[in-house]
Amino acid sequence: QQQVKQSPQSLIVQKGGISIINCAYENTAFDYFPWYQQFPGKGPALLIAIRPDVSEKKEGRFTISFNKSAKQFSLHIMDSQPGDSATYFCAASDSGSARQLTFGSGTQLTVLP
Amino acid sequence: DTAVSQTPKYLVTQMGNDKSIKCEQNLGHDTMYWYKQDSKKFLKIMFSYNNKELIINETVPNRFSPKSPDKAHLNLHINSLELGDSAVYFCASSIRGGSEQFFGPGTRLTVL
Repeated sequence: QQQVKQSPQSLIVQKGGISIINCAYENTAFDYFPWYQQFPGKGPALLIAIRPDVSEKKEGRFTISFNKSAKQFSLHIMDSQPGDSATYFCAASDSGSARQLTFGSGTQLTVLP
Repeated sequence: DTAVSQTPKYLVTQMGNDKSIKCEQNLGHDTMYWYKQDSKKFLKIMFSYNNKELIINETVPNRFSPKSPDKAHLNLHINSLELGDSAVYFCASSIRGGSEQFFGPGTRLTVL
């Protein structure tokens, strides 16, 4: 059972464009929704995270939009740069189970120069 | 300074062998995790551990066992390795009850 569904699987964007990655979850007990960025040969690194008491969170060029009623959240990367080319994972956790993360399947983002 | 480190970075071994992967964190965290990333890059939790509680994902074979000599270390022991165990294994840590997890660089295990 895939509790966090992520799309698209891959995304190609021109430099300066907006990259949008979407996730949907099923478990209503989830109360923490992070996005991780992973470069080849490296471990995932936390990019930005949101809790369901807010509908949007922005950090620099990265914004999370959260829709609690639809059980969906998305990552928007404004002014995408070639250095943003990486795999992005959405995830979710709840307050139980030591906050184990349930990950989406990942999106391979390529930003063309 | 490396926050979460793993050794070795690469591990190539024969089917049926027993191997260990070491993980150390210098962040003062008290909860550590092991994740498995398969060939399709799908990340899945295997274990979470603090000094009082071990939570095992129900799909993890009992050939896998975490061992924690102290709060800063959580090693992964794998017995009777199988071809399907080939993957990248990531260690992570967080404060107890905390949300942000810090990941290590990963160990690529190849079982021949």
